[in-house]
Amino acid sequence: QSALIQPASVSGSPGQSITISCSGATSDIGDYVFVCWYQQHPGQAPKLLISDVSDRPSWISPRFSGSKSGDTASLTISALQTEDEAHYYCASYTATGAPLFGGGTLLTVL
Amino acid sequence: QVHLEQSGPEVKNPGASVRVSCKTSGYTFSRYGVSWVRQAPGQGPEWMAWISGKHGKTMYGQKFQGRLTVATDSSTPTVYMDLRGLKSDDTAVYYCGRDLMGSPSFLDHWGQGTLVTVSS
Repeated sequence: QSALIQPASVSGSPGQSITISCSGATSDIGDYVFVCWYQQHPGQAPKLLISDVSDRPSWISPRFSGSKSGDTASLTISALQTEDEAHYYCASYTATGAPLFGGGTLLTVL
Repeated sequence: QVHLEQSGPEVKNPGASVRVSCKTSGYTFSRYGVSWVRQAPGQGPEWMAWISGKHGKTMYGQKFQGRLTVATDSSTPTVYMDLRGLKSDDTAVYYCGRDLMGSPSFLDHWGQGTLVTVSS
């Protein structure tokens, strides 16, 4: 099964907002609410940002938000900060029962 | 607080097997599952397997069927991942993470990762 499709890179300036898309199919994102987003800094384990499309763990800043429309999920980061520079991965439950990750998006904060 | 502590780095020859352990603490083990995810150099994560902390029920990624086994020792509580028939493209950082009890969904806490290098 092919990875979910994300843009390879996005960039923004401090204080701006950016959105990262994650495209799938009806057999994954389109049919399930188990869509999540992870942030990964170099040399570290991924960190959960968003689960169930738009739920945010208590320890995650409200600057991070998630949404879904059809077969595409999105992560929006508002009021960009330099520490937001990292790789971001989406993931979705699939019809096979196996979670599927996206290829990842590198966010550069200029 | 929730913590998952993984075993140290491994270097293996092609064809060998590797066991990675994941000792959990700070939560009720039987109320959650644990998933294993790996990440090859410069690549995105890849889900491998899930095990229920309550029933020991397992689910494996199709790619790993037949050469991957995950198991738990609820007394410690620790989760083990055994990967057999290692190939060079199994070189990756292997992570365990706390998942939902009923099915693999999302990992809200992760171990620090274990680098497995397969090389002759």
